[in-house]
Amino acid sequence: TQLLEQSPQFLSIQEGENLTVYCNSSSVFSSLQWYRQEPGEGPVLLVTVVTGGEVKKLKRLTFQFGDARKDSSLHITAAQPGDTGLYLCAGSDSNYQLIWGAGTKLIIKP
Amino acid sequence: GAVVSQHPSWVICKSGTSVKIECRSLDFQATTMFWYRQFPKQSLMLMATSNEGSKATYEQGVEKDKFLINHASLTLSTLTVTSAHPEDSSFYICSARKGVLGSTDTQYFGPGTRLTVL
Repeated sequence: TQLLEQSPQFLSIQEGENLTVYCNSSSVFSSLQWYRQEPGEGPVLLVTVVTGGEVKKLKRLTFQFGDARKDSSLHITAAQPGDTGLYLCAGSDSNYQLIWGAGTKLIIKP
Repeated sequence: GAVVSQHPSWVICKSGTSVKIECRSLDFQATTMFWYRQFPKQSLMLMATSNEGSKATYEQGVEKDKFLINHASLTLSTLTVTSAHPEDSSFYICSARKGVLGSTDTQYFGPGTRLTVL
């Protein structure tokens, strides 16, 4: 059974600080997706990374896929209160099902 | 775009009744749809994978007779919670896969349905 360990599970920081969320596995994924979810809503796709070593940027968010496609990170620069939410990573396994991380609850304090 | 809708967004029902939740892909055809359950402050738990025109594949521990899934068309899947009990209260989310199998596996999610069973 493939597992995707996401850390930290909870993070509360001040506006303007930087942060990084990690997703790690011992298994290889064909792709990995990052989602953001707000209370009472479904997850919203932020990015999909496919190639080992790939780096994608979405404004102040930087996503990286590990060279071996076993891990990924999300880095937020100068966090803002609007970044508050639950961040989820999900890796696509060999059967094209998503393996989910436990989620990171992020709170940005003004 | 890739928009997925769910209906209803919330429902309250009495114990013992059945509730149907609809999931629609509005601007694309989805050969595969997924149903998830999410408990407060937790990640998503896959319940079943629904392929158009065939029986759904249920994850271990999910009762197929209790959670009936129908995927009658390329844009619609339904989840019926039969004889609902308070422990079935949860946030149910569907997703639809856009793209050809073997390409990037991207799922697009509906807004979720909050079910409360009294």
